[in-house]
Amino acid sequence: KQEVTQIPAALSVPEGENLVLNCSFTDSAIYNLQWFRQDPGKGLTSLLLIQSSQREQTSGRLNASLDKSSGRSTLYIAASQPGDSATYLCAVRHKNYGGSQGNLIFGKGTKLSVKP
Amino acid sequence: NAGVTQTPKFQVLKTGQSMTLQCAQDMNHEYMSWYRQDPGMGLRLIHYSVGAGITDQGEVPNGYNVSRSTTEDFPLRLLSAAPSQTSVYFCASSDRSQGTQYFGPGTRLLVL
Repeated sequence: KQEVTQIPAALSVPEGENLVLNCSFTDSAIYNLQWFRQDPGKGLTSLLLIQSSQREQTSGRLNASLDKSSGRSTLYIAASQPGDSATYLCAVRHKNYGGSQGNLIFGKGTKLSVKP
Repeated sequence: NAGVTQTPKFQVLKTGQSMTLQCAQDMNHEYMSWYRQDPGMGLRLIHYSVGAGITDQGEVPNGYNVSRSTTEDFPLRLLSAAPSQTSVYFCASSDRSQGTQYFGPGTRLLVL
């Protein structure tokens, strides 16, 4: 059974610091991996999607990498800002999950706090 | 585009009552899904649909029904609400080619 783990569960950093969030998954049979951001009481906002054939994706200050063979992904945030404070969720679209390509298996998230 | 919309935003039910959570998307996406989010459990798949007229169960389907009569709409029905169904419910959609999942703002449900 596919399991997705995110470490650490919570992280507090000073503003301006570069940081890395980690995501690991147990089964490499994935279509893609997606990183989301969730603000308190809000829905999920998609940040980056990496297809299984790709190694990384970049958007602004965010860079996500994927090593499918080792079952790992990292989300790198450069020059962190207080506005980056949120919970970051990693999710994989597993080839055998629910018999469909449309569904995700989520990690429990990393709660990030960036202090001014 | 409005994206994925959900109604209501918040609902209080008594045990045994029924209700329907509404979800609609205007992106012509084939795939739609319902997840619930609980503290310490993360997001778990309830039901999903790969197109109009086609639905299937996810990880935690008991106590919920779905139907998909149109591409745009994917309502989730609670047949007889239980306190264990207190949760935040998210609807999501994606297309086949791109794969990015888009989520609605969520419905907070409290069952007393």
